[in-house]
Amino acid sequence: AQSVTQLGSHVSVSEGALVLLRCNYSSSVPPYLFWYVQYPNQGLQLLLKYTSAATLVKGINGFEAEFKKSETSFHLTKPSAHMSDAAEYFCALTGGGNKLTFGTGTQLKVEL
Amino acid sequence: DGGITQSPKYLFRKEGQNVTLSCEQNLNHDAMYWYRQDPGQGLRLIYYSQIVNDFQKGDIAEGYSVSREKKESFPLTVTSAQKNPTAFYLCASSIEGYTEAFFGQGTRLTVV
Repeated sequence: AQSVTQLGSHVSVSEGALVLLRCNYSSSVPPYLFWYVQYPNQGLQLLLKYTSAATLVKGINGFEAEFKKSETSFHLTKPSAHMSDAAEYFCALTGGGNKLTFGTGTQLKVEL
Repeated sequence: DGGITQSPKYLFRKEGQNVTLSCEQNLNHDAMYWYRQDPGQGLRLIYYSQIVNDFQKGDIAEGYSVSREKKESFPLTVTSAQKNPTAFYLCASSIEGYTEAFFGQGTRLTVV
C-alpha cells in the first residue's frame, strides 16, 4: 500500500518569506514523487518530480523539493513567496503500480 | 497543441439522470485516469486504464462507469447509483506507470 500525508491543510506566509509545504509518504517500493499546483477551477500543473536521480529537485516558478529517504519526506520549498504563488498544492507518488496517489492538499495563502 | 481536453467545463443535471463526461487526449499516452475532487479530500481515483479495452476500478468506483474503446478517449459516466455526484472531476493521462500525469482542466458537475 502507498500513501501520502500533507501536514497542514492551510499555510499562510508573507510575501517575500520562505514557503515550506510538508509531505511525507509511505511506499513499500522506491517511490516516484511529485508536486502539483492547482489554481481555482483549473486542472493540476506539475511543479517538479523526483524519479530516483538527484535528491534535490528543482522545478518551475522557483520551487524545489528534497527527497529524504530516512525521513520519508519530500517537502516543497521556495525562498521567497510571491502573491502569484497562492494556490493549492498537492504531493503525489507512484510506487509498485500505475496508480498515482495524492495527498489531501495544502492551500497556500500569501499576504502582503 | 498537445494536451487533454475535458468537456464540458460546467455541467448541471437533475438527480436520477446519468451523465457522461468527456476526456480526450492527443499526447499518445497509454494510461488514462479519472479523479474526483472534493474540498479538503484531495483527489480520489475513480477508474484508470493502462491500455485500450482494459480498465480497473480505483478507490471510489461505485456509481461510475467508463469505457476505453480508443487510445485517445476515456469517457466517464456518472450513473444514478452515485449517491453524491456533485464534485469536480479531473481526467489525466501518462505515458506509463512511474511517470507524471498530465491533467485536463476539469468538469464541475452539479446535480440538483
